[in-house]
Amino acid sequence: DVVMTQSPLSLPVTLGQPASISCRSSQSLVYSDGNTYLNWFQQRPGQSPRRLMYKVSNRDSGVPDRFSGSGSGTDFTLKISRVEAEDVGVYYCMQGTHWVITFGQGTRLEIK
Amino acid sequence: QVQLVQSGAEVKKPGASVKVSCKASGYTLTTYGISWVRQAPGQGLEWVGWINPNTGDANLPPKLQGRVAMTADTSTSTVYMELRSLRSDDTAVYYCARDSRSGGHFDYWGQGTLVTVSS
Repeated sequence: DVVMTQSPLSLPVTLGQPASISCRSSQSLVYSDGNTYLNWFQQRPGQSPRRLMYKVSNRDSGVPDRFSGSGSGTDFTLKISRVEAEDVGVYYCMQGTHWVITFGQGTRLEIK
Repeated sequence: QVQLVQSGAEVKKPGASVKVSCKASGYTLTTYGISWVRQAPGQGLEWVGWINPNTGDANLPPKLQGRVAMTADTSTSTVYMELRSLRSDDTAVYYCARDSRSGGHFDYWGQGTLVTVSS
């Protein structure tokens, strides 16, 4: 299975400051169709996961534009330009290129 | 609007089976796959498997093959996930999520179903 490794696992951030989460995969996530199936999810306390980004850098409807995704191959990043209180939660990367679908361990974002 | 509504919490004994349902609305069930993802208490997300509701074809991770079965009833737009020979480490919240490669995987999620395995 493809191993997804996130860092950091804990991310204390001051309100209004930027935040960045790294996700590395053990194999390239480029699929045979040329797409890279790397998603980012946010899970607020007590809620279901919510997709933020798909295919690396496509923002889902309703997701604030302070969230952005980048990367290629095996190295990916989720950035929040200015953290707000509602961003508290756990963030997961996920690869859908290879069966078995796998997730990163999660990064817990908290307000300092 | 797209919604996935799951059945309620279950408590089962070790060795028993559990069947969780996921009812889709707001779109045609047969046009997207459904994946199941579980989350043990305080832990991360683990993919449990995928079903094509149109054909009934399923794709399961090796560690759960033989214990998981997924079915779909297109007349009621409902997908089912059955887990057999339950163990304590199957205790988790089980989520269904709409899943298609073209749609980028997991764009909509159910509310989750807590399955507790305890003697």
